[in-house]
Amino acid sequence: DGGITQSPKYLFRKEGQNVTLSCEQNLNHDAMYWYRQDPGQGLRLIYYSQIVNDFQKGDIAEGYSVSREKKESFPLTVTSAQKNPTAFYLCASSGETDTQYFGPGTRLTVL
Amino acid sequence: AQSVTQPDIHITVSEGASLELRCNYSYGATPYLFWYVQSPGQGLQLLLKYFSGDTLVQGIKGFEAEFKRSQSSFNLRKPSVHWSDAAEYFCAVAVPYSGAGSYQLTFGKGTKLSVIP
Repeated sequence: DGGITQSPKYLFRKEGQNVTLSCEQNLNHDAMYWYRQDPGQGLRLIYYSQIVNDFQKGDIAEGYSVSREKKESFPLTVTSAQKNPTAFYLCASSGETDTQYFGPGTRLTVL
Repeated sequence: AQSVTQPDIHITVSEGASLELRCNYSYGATPYLFWYVQSPGQGLQLLLKYFSGDTLVQGIKGFEAEFKRSQSSFNLRKPSVHWSDAAEYFCAVAVPYSGAGSYQLTFGKGTKLSVIP
């Protein structure tokens, strides 16, 4: 089955720790995206990547970092510089149809 | 900059009743428009999209949406709601990145739909 997988589904972080969220897609899509979702706020773009080895900041990139070493993978690291990281994180990808498809999400909680 | 407004935070309808969820966008040109649905704790599922052509767009699960340029609206409709339609619905507008082949999605804040049996 083609699709987008995110792991883990739930993640707990202690203050001061960095954590990495995984996103993998087997849709052969060039572009990948990370969004943050907070209750009542909709989705906000953190980072996006249009091609391997290239990525750009979105609207709320502070405290986050990404890499894009493979077409299939776009991991997101939430650093200790992110002051309020508790949220639901969604990964998406898009191909030639310019439609973004989403993964199931990772819920990050800071203890 | 583009923006999307979903005026209704929460709507409650009875099962079998009709539904209309409102979406207004702000963008200088004709954008690409999308509706997504999200069940609690899940990712977003694409319901339908408008790129060009016929302004009435059919989607999955019996949903449709109509693009009205004069009103900058893209309202989602369903003639008869089922209990399984209870979820949160997001409208989004896509605009191209300058000089690039991919698009940036700007989302509304969502409308939560509750269905009374």
